[in-house]
Amino acid sequence: DGGITQSPKYLFRKEGQNVTLSCEQNLNHDAMYWYRQDPGQGLRLIYYSQIVNDFQKGDIAEGYSVSREKKESFPLTVTSAQKNPTAFYLCASRGKLSYNSPLHFGNGTRLTVT
Amino acid sequence: GQQLNQSPQSMFIQEGEDVSMNCTSSSIFNTWLWYKQDPGEGPVLLIALYKAGELTSNGRLTAQFGITRKDSFLNISASIPSDVGIYFCAGHASGGSYIPTFGRGTSLIVHP
Repeated sequence: DGGITQSPKYLFRKEGQNVTLSCEQNLNHDAMYWYRQDPGQGLRLIYYSQIVNDFQKGDIAEGYSVSREKKESFPLTVTSAQKNPTAFYLCASRGKLSYNSPLHFGNGTRLTVT
Repeated sequence: GQQLNQSPQSMFIQEGEDVSMNCTSSSIFNTWLWYKQDPGEGPVLLIALYKAGELTSNGRLTAQFGITRKDSFLNISASIPSDVGIYFCAGHASGGSYIPTFGRGTSLIVHP
C-alpha cells in the first residue's frame, strides 16, 4: 500500500541530545513537509522540500535541520538548540505543486525531551 | 501572512446531534480543505473544495466553499462516537504560495 511512514511512533531523549525523526513515502510525491503540533496551536510548518536536494525554511525552522537526498525520504533532526522540542511531529507529502493537490500526512512521531 | 480563524475551538455534543464548524480567512482562498485527526494519529483529508459556492458531501459530512471565497463550513449530521477528534480547515490563498494555511482546529467530543 502507498503511504507515508513516520518512525518511531514515540521517542524519548535527554535534553542536549540531537534526535532524528524519519519520514519515508512511497507515493512518488515530489514535495514533502514537516509540521509541529502543540495542544491548541494547530499545525506549524518547520521545513519543506519541493524537490530533491532542495528545501526551504518554514515558520518555525530555528533549532531544526533537514535533508532531502532521496525523493522518498525527508528526515528531520531536532537539535539541542531547539528550546522546547517536546511535541507531536507530522510529516506530509503532495504529488504536485498545485492548488488541487492536497497534503497527505503520516501518523506522526511524539517526541518527549526531559 | 494569511489568517485563518476556525470556530468553535471545541464542542461537546450528544450522540445523534448535528455539528457545524467554520473557518474564515482574511484573504481570498483558491482551495478549502477539511481534515480530521484522530487522537495520536495524523490528519486525514475528508473533503476538498476547489470552486466558490461548491457544496460537497462525504457520507454524513457536508462542506461548502463560501461564495465570497473567504469562508468555508463543515457540517456533520447525526454524530456518532467515532466522530471524536480534531477537525482542521486549511486552504490556499489566491496568489499565494502552494503551502496551505491551517486553522487551529475544532476539538469534537461526542457523548454516547
